[in-house]
Amino acid sequence: GESVGLHLPTLSVQEGDNSIINCAYSNSASDYFIWYKQESGKGPQFIIDIRSNMDKRQGQRVTVLLNKTVKHLSLQIAATQPGDSAVYFCAENTGGGTSYGKLTFGQGTILTVHP
Amino acid sequence: DGGITQSPKYLFRKEGQNVTLSCEQNLNHDAMYWYRQDPGQGLRLIYYSQIVNDFQKGDIAEGYSVSREKKESFPLTVTSAQKNPTAFYLCASSIDPDREAFFGQGTRLTVV
Repeated sequence: GESVGLHLPTLSVQEGDNSIINCAYSNSASDYFIWYKQESGKGPQFIIDIRSNMDKRQGQRVTVLLNKTVKHLSLQIAATQPGDSAVYFCAENTGGGTSYGKLTFGQGTILTVHP
Repeated sequence: DGGITQSPKYLFRKEGQNVTLSCEQNLNHDAMYWYRQDPGQGLRLIYYSQIVNDFQKGDIAEGYSVSREKKESFPLTVTSAQKNPTAFYLCASSIDPDREAFFGQGTRLTVV
């Protein structure tokens, strides 16, 4: 999951395993959530998004689950590959009020995939 | 090729100097953002703009300034008032503020 401070959570998996990365978001008014992947020295890359009227959304090899009751988001990666090694961030967007358009990021999780 | 272009990729600044980071997009996106990333940490929002000639402060706007005179461009100035400017700066844009943001490749600023 996410943490405060300088040390990012880490997840190490073997190639071919499934990976689950967790995120606890902060604002109960947030209605749009995004997962990003960031490789070293590069900008974040969009993976998948979900709106608050959904509990689950699937993409290619990825699934995002949203539990609004406990303000929890997860990213599942099926058949993880070495190329999936990166830092993964969740981001939340509050759809109204003074924070409209403000995309807030979590601290990130380092995923390492071993061949 | 559509996308977001940040320049330069690496930038060195002497203490006490202002420096401007460029961000240009040809995606016809209305919303643009500037984030700061420190080693081992997440992204923190500096400024964002939902439309031309309008922008709002993010969580860490002190010591920074922006302008949005054109839809395609959202330059960030790091002023001498920013006490710890060494960081990785990321620009992003989205078609509207309620959609996914796409990022540039970043500018690494180092104060020497």
